[in-house]
Amino acid sequence: AQKVTQAQTEISVVEKEDVTLDCVYETRDTTYYLFWYKQPPSGELVFLIRRNSFDEQNEISGRYSWNFQKSTSSFNFTITASQVVDSAVYFCALSVFFAGGTSYGKLTFGQGTILTVHP
Amino acid sequence: GAVVSQHPSRVICKSGTSVKIECRSLDFQATTMFWYRQFPKQSLMLMATSNEGSKATYEQGVEKDKFLINHASLTLSTLTVTSAHPEDSSFYICSARAGLGTDTQYFGPGTRLTVL
Repeated sequence: AQKVTQAQTEISVVEKEDVTLDCVYETRDTTYYLFWYKQPPSGELVFLIRRNSFDEQNEISGRYSWNFQKSTSSFNFTITASQVVDSAVYFCALSVFFAGGTSYGKLTFGQGTILTVHP
Repeated sequence: GAVVSQHPSRVICKSGTSVKIECRSLDFQATTMFWYRQFPKQSLMLMATSNEGSKATYEQGVEKDKFLINHASLTLSTLTVTSAHPEDSSFYICSARAGLGTDTQYFGPGTRLTVL
């Protein structure tokens, strides 16, 4: 079974601060995908990033960066110079491949981290 | 690209009525669609997985006679909440995946169901 843990329930920062959202996952599968989604107050989940288990390169996209560490089963997300518009719930998620290389695609979500950025 | 729509966005109904929610992939063909339920301040709970042209696979604890899912085409899946009761009030979200090996799920905007 898969499990995703986002230990931080709520984080509050002031605009322009950097903030890191933690994500730790558990799976016995060696091939899997990790995701981050953003859920603003409107409710729609916005896809941010997908990373497969073979690619441990860190990624940067504008003010967003992700640190994937297989050794610690972590996939942390950092927002640099946070803005009020970053206020949302952020979910980390995991999906695994079945044998044969095809993925059933079921996502296991963490509990989410509520990020509030104050002006 | 990868836009998923849901209709209606909000519905209020009386207890005992049935409600149908539509999920459409607008610019891609979705071989697989997923239905989730989210309670306030909680994570998403997968209810069922539907593959076009076959019966939906329900997660443990989800009543398939209560939550009817149909995936009649590669761009449309429907969730019908039958004989809705106040405890069915929730935020229902669908997602769509283009195909095997394409593991990114794109989510619809959600439907807020309130049963009086």
